[in-house]
Amino acid sequence: KQEVTQIPAALSVPEGENLVLNCSFTDSAIYNLQWFRQDPGKGLTSLLLIQSSQREQTSGRLNASLDKSSGRSTLYIAASQPGDSATYLCAVGMDSSYKLIFGSGTRLLVRP
Amino acid sequence: DVKVTQSSRYLVKRTGEKVFLECVQDMDHENMFWYRQDPGLGLRLIYFSYDVKMKEKGDIPEGYSVSREKKERFSLILESASTNQTSMYLCASSLELAETQYFGPGTRLLVL
Repeated sequence: KQEVTQIPAALSVPEGENLVLNCSFTDSAIYNLQWFRQDPGKGLTSLLLIQSSQREQTSGRLNASLDKSSGRSTLYIAASQPGDSATYLCAVGMDSSYKLIFGSGTRLLVRP
Repeated sequence: DVKVTQSSRYLVKRTGEKVFLECVQDMDHENMFWYRQDPGLGLRLIYFSYDVKMKEKGDIPEGYSVSREKKERFSLILESASTNQTSMYLCASSLELAETQYFGPGTRLLVL
């Protein structure tokens, strides 16, 4: 059974710092992996989707990498801003179906 | 931009009431999803629909039913609300299976 873990559960950094959020999964036979952002009391916003054949995806200050063999993905945020404060969730798709397995998220606070 | 809207942001209902949560997407997506999100348990899939009038049970369908009479609208029904159904309910849609899911803002339901 696939398990998705995100450590740390919470992270506080000063503005301007580059940071890395981690996502690990136990079964490397994944189809794809998605990173989402969730603001308090709101829905999820898709940030990046990486197919299993890809190593990384970039969008603006965000870069997500995927290492299937080690069961890890990282989300790199460059030059963090207070507006980046949110909970970041990763979700693994195991096959070409609809099912996503979500991690429990990392709550990020960027201090001005 | 994909827009997924949910009929209510907050709802307060009594135990035993029948509750309807509605979700509408404006991008002609085939696939629609209902999740609930609880602290410590993450996001769990309740039901999924891949076409009008077609549905599949997710991980936690007990106590819920769904309706998809039109492509753009997917309703979640709590037949007889119970206090353990107090939760944040999130609707999502996607164009293709296993591709990016777009989420609505969520409905926070309190059952008294």
